[in-house]
Amino acid sequence: GESVGLHLPTLSVQEGDNSIINCAYSNSASDYFIWYKQESGKGPQFIIDIRSNMDKRQGQRVTVLLNKTVKHLSLQIAATQPGDSAVYFCAEASGGSNYKLTFGKGTLLTVNP
Amino acid sequence: GAGVSQSPSNKVTEKGKDVELRCDPISGHTALYWYRQSLGQGLEFLIYFQGNSAPDKSGLPSDRFSAERTGGSVSTLTIQRTQQEDSAVYLCASSLQGTSGETQYFGPGTRLLVL
Repeated sequence: GESVGLHLPTLSVQEGDNSIINCAYSNSASDYFIWYKQESGKGPQFIIDIRSNMDKRQGQRVTVLLNKTVKHLSLQIAATQPGDSAVYFCAEASGGSNYKLTFGKGTLLTVNP
Repeated sequence: GAGVSQSPSNKVTEKGKDVELRCDPISGHTALYWYRQSLGQGLEFLIYFQGNSAPDKSGLPSDRFSAERTGGSVSTLTIQRTQQEDSAVYLCASSLQGTSGETQYFGPGTRLLVL
């Protein structure tokens, strides 16, 4: 079946650096993408989303980039802080099943002070 | 309570026992979702409710799993005759209407351990 996956399972950065977390997806019909942050012992927390008619969307300290040509999604976190340490998941949804999210396995981001 | 709540937060049971997991969605949200997260894995879709109806149950792994929603609010996920492979975190989410591209808000999950 089609799935969403991540290039890097772990990422370690220094506080203040910028972080980039990558995600590859294989379902060309996907038209909605979301990034979630999950801290230990908690449920996923919505960070930012993007629709397939866009290639970039910015939030507070975060930017999501979508490259439909190569089916690639990335999350950029500016000035990474210790509180950003968590597992980050990308998720996708498509067409009529836009309610059904398909998640990748996650990337563990560790921010070193 | 502004967010999605789930109970219990942790559940330990013996193989073969039945368990019930509860989800209280955000007030006013008509759509409710159950997902399962195995250790070190991403989330796996189980079932989707629109109001009290479940138009998509395709993710339920076996007939030992069932879910219901009453009053368009609280939902219960029941696992009968639990097996060790059922051990996971069960997450509930809700969204306002369940329409295209709507943000799903997650609860903290119930950590189920089957011995």
